[in-house]
Amino acid sequence: QVQLQESGPGLVKPSQTLSLTCSISGGSITSGDYYWSWIRQHPGKGLEWIGYIYHSGSTYYNPSLKGRLTISVGTSKSQFILKLSSVTAADTAVYHCAREGVAAMVNAFDIWGQGTMVTVSS
Amino acid sequence: QSALTQPASVSGSPGQSITISCTGTSSDVGIYNLVSWYQQHPGKAPKLMIYEVSKRPSGVSNRFSGSKSGNTASLTISGLQAEDEADYYCYSYGSSSRLFGGGTKLTVL
Repeated sequence: QVQLQESGPGLVKPSQTLSLTCSISGGSITSGDYYWSWIRQHPGKGLEWIGYIYHSGSTYYNPSLKGRLTISVGTSKSQFILKLSSVTAADTAVYHCAREGVAAMVNAFDIWGQGTMVTVSS
Repeated sequence: QSALTQPASVSGSPGQSITISCTGTSSDVGIYNLVSWYQQHPGKAPKLMIYEVSKRPSGVSNRFSGSKSGNTASLTISGLQAEDEADYYCYSYGSSSRLFGGGTKLTVL
């Protein structure tokens, strides 16, 4: 059974780059059946779609974050990485990685990581 | 691009049915049958409840159902139970982005 787990620093200084890794157990990014996605949730607020990477390396980002955002595959095909540059307090949130269906359960997130809290503060 | 519009809160008594709406536009909900619904309990990750407007993943109770009319999708929960109290979010594929709704807090009275 596929499981996802986020990891990375819980505290990032303003203007620096936030970097998070999502580790996939029981599967890998090489499957063309899924988009591998990032979603965040500001404290006490709703969900915000960040973007995804596909097994081909193609990416699709939320237009509101484009320019600051990079999603890439890790050196191991069982990890994908989010980098968000020039962070501000507005980027403080719980960050989730999730699997989104391409061929089945199309455009639905069927597996989620538990989420990791990232605070932007000096 | 704005989030999909959901009511901030709904409530119902055990055994009753409630419906949560999710309104988008002709560029997302209205044109694609790619709406999904998520249940989130406090401190937990969201859980997929409905996908492709009206399909239920394996293991999700048949008390949960989804539908769509025009630019508005709906999630109906019948036979409300205490454990249904949670936040619910809709999500839709769109022609220029992907959108979540603002979330609806369901209170079981």
